[in-house]
Amino acid sequence: AQSVTQLDSHVSVSEGTPVLLRCNYSSSYSPSLFWYVQHPNKGLQLLLKYTSAATLVKGINGFEAEFKKSETSFHLTKPSAHMSDAAEYFCVVSSITGRRALTFGSGTRLQVQP
Amino acid sequence: SQTIHQWPATLVQPVGSPLSLECTVEGTSNPNLYWYRQAAGRGLQLLFYSVGIGQISSEVPQNLSASRPQDRQFILSSKKLLLSDSGFYLCAWSGSLHSGNTIYFGEGSWLTVV
Repeated sequence: AQSVTQLDSHVSVSEGTPVLLRCNYSSSYSPSLFWYVQHPNKGLQLLLKYTSAATLVKGINGFEAEFKKSETSFHLTKPSAHMSDAAEYFCVVSSITGRRALTFGSGTRLQVQP
Repeated sequence: SQTIHQWPATLVQPVGSPLSLECTVEGTSNPNLYWYRQAAGRGLQLLFYSVGIGQISSEVPQNLSASRPQDRQFILSSKKLLLSDSGFYLCAWSGSLHSGNTIYFGEGSWLTVV
């Protein structure tokens, strides 16, 4: 079994300040983990993914995430928020035995204030 | 490179009318195909997935059906729409069901049932 919990439904930051979007997962097997971003009325775009290589994963648009097995976390960070980062972010887990491809978190809406 | 196309982008349909949403993938063969629904303010719900032509797995009982008449074509249908069918529908594909394989999304279709 696998599950994913995004700890914040909404996060608001000021432009130029750091972003932290939190994600905890559970999985019976070594998971792969993903972060996707969805801008309004658009499909989901892959930001980054972890697949048992380096625990610190760098993605597009300056985002990165760190896989911490001891904490079962995969938090998404960015040093400095930009107005264009305002969107919905989804954390996703996939286990090696998953017949169903992915389990999505409920999403975190990021607001960026000028 | 692979691309995924989904249409129509938006549609407004009366209750009881039929539905057909189409999705095609280019640049790959034998993809795994998926239909997700995203209700307003909620996460993604997997509706159907397919590992090959004519092979459809339904994740939840509902008023919708899916078909895969060709390798890279996936269709979501309904004979009679309900108000509760309103939402944002996303088609997606991946190389396999195994962990670590990224899933790629189309741009989505907004369905409003009135």
